[in-house]
Formats: sequence, C-alpha cells, structure tokens
Amino acid sequence: QLQLQVSGPGLVKPSETLSLTCIVSGGSISSSSYYWGWIRQPPGKGLEWIGSIYYSGSSYYNPSLKSRVTISVDTSKNQFSLKLSSVTAADTALYSCARHSLGGNPFDSWGQGSLVTVSS
Amino acid sequence: SYELSQPLSVSVALGQTARITCGGNNIGSKNVHWYQQKPGQAPVLVIYRNRNRPSGIPERFSGSNSGNTATLTISRAQAGDEADYYCQVWDSSTVVFGGGTKLTVL
Repeated sequence: QLQLQVSGPGLVKPSETLSLTCIVSGGSISSSSYYWGWIRQPPGKGLEWIGSIYYSGSSYYNPSLKSRVTISVDTSKNQFSLKLSSVTAADTALYSCARHSLGGNPFDSWGQGSLVTVSS
Repeated sequence: SYELSQPLSVSVALGQTARITCGGNNIGSKNVHWYQQKPGQAPVLVIYRNRNRPSGIPERFSGSNSGNTATLTISRAQAGDEADYYCQVWDSSTVVFGGGTKLTVL
C-alpha cells in the first residue's frame, strides 16, 4: 500500500526558504506511470497545487508560485522535495504530497500533510 | 488562467440528494475530478474523469459534466458524507482546484 509522508520544519522565518521532503513507501517513485506533486492548504481555506515532478526530473509548476518554487526528486531515496523561497505569512499552510498519473488524471493517493507556519 | 467556481456551502436533508456544482468556461470539454475532505484528513478521490468512481466509493456518488458546469451528486445523503468537496481539472499542464464546497447534512 502506497504511503507518502511529509517531513521538514514546522516553523520558517519570513524571507527564508521553506524546505520539505515527501518520503514514498510501498511503491517506487521511479514508476513510469506517475508524477508526484505538492499541494498546500492554508488554514481554513482551499487546496492550491504547487507543482509536480516526474522521476526523470521533468517538472511543472503553478504559474503563480513558479518564481519561488523548486521541486526535485531523489530516486535513490525514493523521495521528492519542495523548496519555496522568500516566504511570507501567506505561505503558512498544510503542505501535502500526492501522486497522479499521466494524461490529466487525478491525485489518487495523498499523504497526510505537514503544517508549516511562517513566523519570526 | 482558468478558474473554477463552487458554492461555499450546500445543505441536504438526511436521505435526500445533494448536488454540488463546479463552474468553469467550457468545463464540459475537460475531465473533472472530485475530492472529499473531512476535517483533519487528507482529500479522498470520489469521482474521476467526470463520472467514474474509484474502488471503494459508494454508488451513491455520481458525477456529470456538460457545458459550463460539472456536478457531483450524492444520493441518499448520510451523516458521514458531511465534508468539504473540491473539483479539479487540468488546464495547460497546470492543476486547478475549485474553492471547495462545505456539505452539511441536516
């Protein structure tokens, strides 16, 4: 059974870089069928897609966040990572990772997510 | 950029039918996916590609998509269906979520 687990600091200072890792277990991140994505949800608000990456490193991002986001993959550790630079309080959210297949398909497996607070 | 609009809230009497809409420009030409999210839990896919149910999702959940509106229909609503529901599409290699609808079962 596929499991995704987010790890990383729960508190980040304004203007710094948020860094999170999604550890995948019960399945291979190198599967040719899937992309791996990051989604966030500010407290009490809706879902916002951040970006997705393929095991080859091919990635695409939400245009509204693209200038600040880097998503990378480490197939040897079966994990992928998110970096969001120059954070502000508006970036405070529950950050989740999830899997989707190619061709406009949905996110079919989600991790529980990790709350990241931006505060000094 | 493409936008999806959902009502903030929908109420339904226990055992009746709830309909949650998702509006978007010519959304009928896209594949719409629907997620259910209960408090403190990760979203769960309940409908994919407009009208398909993943394994384990009750037949009470159905979907349709035409013109400028996609609809998630929940028949014989139960207390356990009370949750937030989100629609989602792909547009030009980007993911777009609707703002979410809170379903209340009375």
